[in-house]
Amino acid sequence: SQQGEEDPQALSIQEGENATMNCSYKTSINNLQWYRQNSGRGLVHLILIRSNEREKHSGRLRVTLDTSKKSSSLLITASRAADTASYFCAPYTSGSRLTFGEGTQLTVNP
Amino acid sequence: EPEVTQTPSHQVTQMGQEVILRCVPISNHLYFYWYRQILGQKVEFLVSFYNNEISEKSEIFDDQFSVERPDGSNFTLKIRSTKLEDSAMYFCASSVVSGGATGELFFGEGSRLTVL
Repeated sequence: SQQGEEDPQALSIQEGENATMNCSYKTSINNLQWYRQNSGRGLVHLILIRSNEREKHSGRLRVTLDTSKKSSSLLITASRAADTASYFCAPYTSGSRLTFGEGTQLTVNP
Repeated sequence: EPEVTQTPSHQVTQMGQEVILRCVPISNHLYFYWYRQILGQKVEFLVSFYNNEISEKSEIFDDQFSVERPDGSNFTLKIRSTKLEDSAMYFCASSVVSGGATGELFFGEGSRLTVL
């Protein structure tokens, strides 16, 4: 299994601004997933992008995947205070466990 | 919307005591998992379970830990003799297919274990 490395470790923005988080991984994958964790709560799946996809949208979320660079990005547009949370990427390779890195701690200031 | 439920939400125990954490996965899911998160640290994989047996376990999941699906709905994690370092939030998760293959993991809200 492999875990993604999220960057930056922490991000603080104003409400209404866009937030971009990046993820890098080491070996080839079947898909890459993004999860959110509010403080003290369980992880919530946000979006999954397959290795043959380059971009995917879901509401205010936009995910990109560049398999040649082994990287992904998560963009949250028009952020809200409720988006304050930790965000994790989880690269998945068939047959392996899903593991999580340190995450990006996003703070959206009202 | 279906969800994974965990009980208790918080348990305080004395070192050396046995603890059982319970989870009710989503009803049509086939794969079950336990993860843990020590305060301020990342979420760590413990074990995955499919077809009534462990399919994978991490180095953390030693002989003090065991999992069971005693009936058609519950999935339990037992810690036989708790240590101080077992204090953590324990998350149960389930998925329809093998975690990440095509779908996602659904996590419960966690059980906080405090060992004194």
